[in-house]
Amino acid sequence: QSVLTQPPSASGPPGQRVTISCSGSSSNIGSNTINWYQRLPGTAPKLLIYTNNRRPSGVPDRFSGSKSGTSASLAISGLQSEDEADYYCASWDDSLRGVVFGGGTKLTVL
Amino acid sequence: QVQLQESGPGLVKPSETLSLSCTVSGDSVTSGSYYWTWIRQPPGKGLEWIGYIYNGVSTNYNSSLKSRVTISVDTSTNQFHLKLSSVTAADTAVYYCARTCYYEMSGYCWGQGTLVTVSS
Repeated sequence: QSVLTQPPSASGPPGQRVTISCSGSSSNIGSNTINWYQRLPGTAPKLLIYTNNRRPSGVPDRFSGSKSGTSASLAISGLQSEDEADYYCASWDDSLRGVVFGGGTKLTVL
Repeated sequence: QVQLQESGPGLVKPSETLSLSCTVSGDSVTSGSYYWTWIRQPPGKGLEWIGYIYNGVSTNYNSSLKSRVTISVDTSTNQFHLKLSSVTAADTAVYYCARTCYYEMSGYCWGQGTLVTVSS
C-alpha cells in the first residue's frame, strides 16, 4: 500500500492529452514539492518533472506538472507511442521523515 | 552529468547480509550538495525509499528498515554502499542507487538497478 495514491492505469490515443493524478496528505504533498518519474520498459526510472512543475533539460514541453493542496497531476499532451511507460509520483513526508512514492500508473497509448 | 552503477551479489541467503556498492562518476560522493540514496522495488510492487547519506556522514533511513540498514561512503573509491542485514525473501527486489539531481527534494537521478534475490 503506497502512501501516495495513483490510478493503476491510464490510456489514450496518439495526439490526445491525458492526466495522471497523485493524491497525498498534509504531511507530504500538502507541505512539500512533488516529483514525477517515467520508467520506460526495461529501464530505470528517469526524472520527468521536479519541484512540482519544472522539466529537466531534454524533457519535451508536452509534459507538465501541477500541484494543488494535497494532490498533484502530471499532464501529457500530444500523446506519442514512445510515452508508453510507468509513471510514478514522489514527495517528502514530514511525518515519516522520508521519501514516499505513488504505486505507479501504467500509461497505454491506444 | 553524474553516472551511477550498482554492483554486488545477485543472490543472498536468508538471514545473511545484503551488500551493494554504487560507483559514482562525474561527481564526488562527499559533495555536500547532494543526497546519495538507495531505493528498491520488489517484483510486482511499488518503489520503496531505503535511505540516504549526505555530506559523507549524515544518514537517514526508512523507519521500517532502520534497524537493519547501513549506508556509508568510501572516498578512496568514490563509492557509496548499502548493507541490509538479516534478509528474508521479502527483501528480494531491484535495488537502485540514486542522487538528488539538482538540490534537496529536487528528485533523483538513478542508476540502472540491480536485481537481488534472497533464496537458499
